[in-house]
Amino acid sequence: GESVGLHLPTLSVQEGDNSIINCAYSNSASDYFIWYKQESGKGPQFIIDIRSNMDKRQGQRVTVLLNKTVKHLSLQIAATQPGDSAVYFCAETKGGYQKVTFGTGTKLQVIP
Amino acid sequence: EPEVTQTPSHQVTQMGQEVILRCVPISNHLYFYWYRQILGQKVEFLVSFYNNEISEKSEIFDDQFSVERPDGSNFTLKIRSTKLEDSAMYFCASSEAGINQPQHFGDGTRLSIL
Repeated sequence: GESVGLHLPTLSVQEGDNSIINCAYSNSASDYFIWYKQESGKGPQFIIDIRSNMDKRQGQRVTVLLNKTVKHLSLQIAATQPGDSAVYFCAETKGGYQKVTFGTGTKLQVIP
Repeated sequence: EPEVTQTPSHQVTQMGQEVILRCVPISNHLYFYWYRQILGQKVEFLVSFYNNEISEKSEIFDDQFSVERPDGSNFTLKIRSTKLEDSAMYFCASSEAGINQPQHFGDGTRLSIL
């Protein structure tokens, strides 16, 4: 039968430009946040994480920003490449718990 | 780079049958997890496992589900009597520690219930 899925927001970015993917979380008790990338037919791939005692963390070409006041998380990808095309999920865990709660995801399309 | 591996990649099973999904977590990891993703929907937590015990489980993980670490390398998810709504991608994950550490995922098993 037909499966009713969530409508994924889509971000289209020109190759070489910077991408910013945003995420709002609802649980003020969450204290650890992760960004995952999921390519078609694959599992979520860890990109970068941040703990709630930080507001910024940088990796290779990626930066995560955390604003606890407004419960907002963003992922910045510098010099976006075609290989960055995927669905990006923000995810969170609540203090002391192992369960990771995933957001709905944003589809990033890189235009060559 | 070490990775989580899952087998089979696709499992087709008749409704009411038992199914076992298999996972080999990353070798030095101590915490193991199962998640599922129904087509087009969010990834949902099922269960976490540490020291040969379930440490957390969701409301989805009812009596039809069980997990086991039968030896030093495999981690399995059993669904005792499958239902149509069990059709989904099932992802295994593992982590070094239970909290504040990234969980690393396998590429999943697509379970199709007929």
